[in-house]
Amino acid sequence: GESVGLHLPTLSVQEGDNSIINCAYSNSASDYFIWYKQESGKGPQFIIDIRSNMDKRQGQRVTVLLNKTVKHLSLQIAATQPGDSAVYFCAEKQNTGGFKTIFGAGTRLFVKA
Amino acid sequence: DTEVTQTPKHLVMGMTNKKSLKCEQHMGHRAMYWYKQKAKKPPELMFVYSYEKLSINESVPSRFSPECPNSSLLNLHLHALQPEDSALYLCASSQGQVGNTEAFFGQGTRLTVV
Repeated sequence: GESVGLHLPTLSVQEGDNSIINCAYSNSASDYFIWYKQESGKGPQFIIDIRSNMDKRQGQRVTVLLNKTVKHLSLQIAATQPGDSAVYFCAEKQNTGGFKTIFGAGTRLFVKA
Repeated sequence: DTEVTQTPKHLVMGMTNKKSLKCEQHMGHRAMYWYKQKAKKPPELMFVYSYEKLSINESVPSRFSPECPNSSLLNLHLHALQPEDSALYLCASSQGQVGNTEAFFGQGTRLTVV
């Protein structure tokens, strides 16, 4: 079936550097995408979202880019901090047998001090 | 109040036990969800309730039985579970099932079946 996937399972960056986490999706009918952050022992926490009629959206230190042509989503974190260390999931809202939010595989981000 | 509260935080149960997981939100959200998450894996959707009615059941075994007593509460009744059902069970809510709004997640219940 169609799914949301990630290119890299683990990403290690130096504190202060920018991080880029990538995600590929295959359901061209999906029109809403979300990035979640999950710290150890906690539930996923909303970071930022984007609708399919946009190609970029900025938040505080985070930017999401959407390229519908190649079905690619990315999360950019500026000036990465140790507190950013977590697993990041992209998620896709699709309507297959009902509206549902499907998660990608996840990328673990390590921030080195 | 932007919290989804789940109880208990940890649960150990035997394969013949009956237990329930509870979830509560007071954000006025009309869609509520149960997800199952195994270690190092993404959350997998189990059930969706919309306006207190079961909207989606992702072919979940009948030993998991969801219940939505009112718009703020969501339960997951467990009976005759297997060790492979051990996982983190996450509850979430959103303004509606349809529409582009994010889901808010609780901290989860860590379930161990022995």
